[in-house]
Amino acid sequence: EVQVVESGGGLVQPGGSLRLSCATSGFIFSDHYMDWVRQAPGKGLEWVGRTRNKANSYTTEYAASVKGRFAISRDDSKNSLYLQMNSLKTEDTAVYYCARGLTVGPRVYHDYWGQGTLVTVSS
Amino acid sequence: DIQLTQSPSFLSASVGDRVTITCRASQDISGYLVWYQQRPGKAPKLLIYAASTLQSGVPSRFSGSGSGTEFTLTISSLQPEDFATYYCQQVNIYPLTFGPGTKVDIK
Repeated sequence: EVQVVESGGGLVQPGGSLRLSCATSGFIFSDHYMDWVRQAPGKGLEWVGRTRNKANSYTTEYAASVKGRFAISRDDSKNSLYLQMNSLKTEDTAVYYCARGLTVGPRVYHDYWGQGTLVTVSS
Repeated sequence: DIQLTQSPSFLSASVGDRVTITCRASQDISGYLVWYQQRPGKAPKLLIYAASTLQSGVPSRFSGSGSGTEFTLTISSLQPEDFATYYCQQVNIYPLTFGPGTKVDIK
């Protein structure tokens, strides 16, 4: 059974840093692209970024709103994904979801999602 | 960035109704569109990918169609567990973007 579990959320002051983790099991983690998606309270979904798999050199993509402040990494030996968030702003307050990438032809879709972890940026 | 719009933003329907939600893209995304269902307090659930392919385990009352810039999600006979918010997402070009959502409520 595929499992995706985020952790590391909490309250942080503006300008601060936080590192989220996503532990996975039930599939070959190293084969998959992995993404972060967030949802501000009462709002819609926003894609944060992606890490490709080893076969694609672990390259990353980011949304403009987080580029230069957030960094996605992975540890295939631990089946885990990470999101390092620096220079946090109040508008980064959201539930952060980790999502597995399903590769179908030339594109990737999010087929399994974690339950999310809440990050609150406030003084 | 590719902008996605959804219509309606809210709809009220009864169990057994046929429901159609439209997603329009600001530019051609070929068939690289996804539909998700999100119930309150829960993570999104993949329903349909590549515009019309039903994800494994999703009931056949859900269907998707379209290509280019206009797409639809249809629920053929609304069930109580289908009352939720539905999002479309384009996966053709970075940054990946989502539509604003359509909330389906009980009439």
